[in-house]
Amino acid sequence: QMQLVQSGAEVKKTGSSVKVSCKGSGNTFTYRHLHWVRQAPGQAFEWMGWITPFNGNTNYAQKFQDRVTITRDRSLSTAYMELSSLRSEDTAMYYCVGDGFDNWGQGTLVPVSS
Amino acid sequence: IVMTQTPLSSPVTLGQPASISCRSSQSLVHSDGNTYLSWLHQRPGQPPRLLIYKISNRFSGVPDRFSGSGAGTDFTLKISRVEAEDVGIYYCMQGTQFPVFGGGTKVEIK
Repeated sequence: QMQLVQSGAEVKKTGSSVKVSCKGSGNTFTYRHLHWVRQAPGQAFEWMGWITPFNGNTNYAQKFQDRVTITRDRSLSTAYMELSSLRSEDTAMYYCVGDGFDNWGQGTLVPVSS
Repeated sequence: IVMTQTPLSSPVTLGQPASISCRSSQSLVHSDGNTYLSWLHQRPGQPPRLLIYKISNRFSGVPDRFSGSGAGTDFTLKISRVEAEDVGIYYCMQGTQFPVFGGGTKVEIK
């Protein structure tokens, strides 16, 4: 099974942006969709959006529509999630997840403070 | 779609059964005829792992003490005999529309 390896934790200030990467092991980036999901401390999961690695098509949750951008670099088998205008409520663990939700990255912690 | 899980917490005795319910605010039957309801298990400090997909299909490597059932809007995850490694938080998740997760049920040992 392909492994998804995410970038390390990032401490951010309110109003700034964060860009998290998710690299798939192996030579191909074969998922139909690659999802981004977040989990605030002690909370359940929120789906943020997905990207189709083959053609770069995206779909975003309405809540994050104005602030999130998901991209990919097929040559690097890597997807990216950028969240802008960060607020303290964006403090969370961010995960990339393969289609079917059977394969999760290890998570990237993003604490946001003023 | 809103996913509601009950109970919030379930203290269980080792070797005894446990049951978690999940209700969706609308039918999860997809136009392709499938019902994309999954169950995931999360231990502290770890990402979740998939247990059950499409209501009742166990994912690879999942012990057969885990079973899923239900239809339409009402679904259940059962653990026939709880083991120590089963503690953690269980989430239902629908994938029929854009993914939505339930609030979670914490399973702990009495």
